[in-house]
Amino acid sequence: NAGVTQTPKFRILKIGQSMTLQCAQDMNHNYMYWYRQDPGMGLKLIYYSVGAGITDKGEVPNGYNVSRSTTEDFPLRLELAAPSQTSVYFCASSYSGTPNYGYTFGSGTRLTVV
Amino acid sequence: DQQVKQNSPSLSVQEGRISILNCDYTNSMFDYFLWYKKYPAEGPTFLISISSIKDKNEDGRFTVFLNKSAKHLSLHIVPSQPGDSAVYFCAAIVGNQFYFGTGTSLTVIP
Repeated sequence: NAGVTQTPKFRILKIGQSMTLQCAQDMNHNYMYWYRQDPGMGLKLIYYSVGAGITDKGEVPNGYNVSRSTTEDFPLRLELAAPSQTSVYFCASSYSGTPNYGYTFGSGTRLTVV
Repeated sequence: DQQVKQNSPSLSVQEGRISILNCDYTNSMFDYFLWYKKYPAEGPTFLISISSIKDKNEDGRFTVFLNKSAKHLSLHIVPSQPGDSAVYFCAAIVGNQFYFGTGTSLTVIP
């Protein structure tokens, strides 16, 4: 029972490089989310998906892209990395929009852009 | 615009005593509130939630109180244990959108 798996755990990128943060869940959750957490700040929603083939922007989507071709996977793409994207990224999933179940979070990806 | 605020970045409590973590919000349309706990190098884990139509929800040592008129919620941990030392985030939901506070770092002193 893996829950939500994020890879990689750490990554250093140079300005202008691109990369994909992987997120996979094995709980058959419909809803998946990407958040970033900056020092001293709360979690900010980047993108979310309510099901395969459906994605929507969150609070801070600029500089990112997502896709949801399967229920299990929700990768986050950075096309032209910038220092402002240095952050810890968390993927999360939930069974439905029913909020009292809360989210299941992955363990995070720490990204540094230099 | 921070719609969910945790004004205390840190809190220290003696083991066995009560820990009270506070959270304020600005959006009266929020319909659910949740608390998450986060250890270093791990993702947040869900602790407890409360609907906006209730004023209290209890789960073991954890109780969440909601005061809608004051737009304030709090998490009580009784008794506090050293393993409770972590960062606690409150979150509020409207529609499909979650809004998180900035977190309060709780240290329980043995």
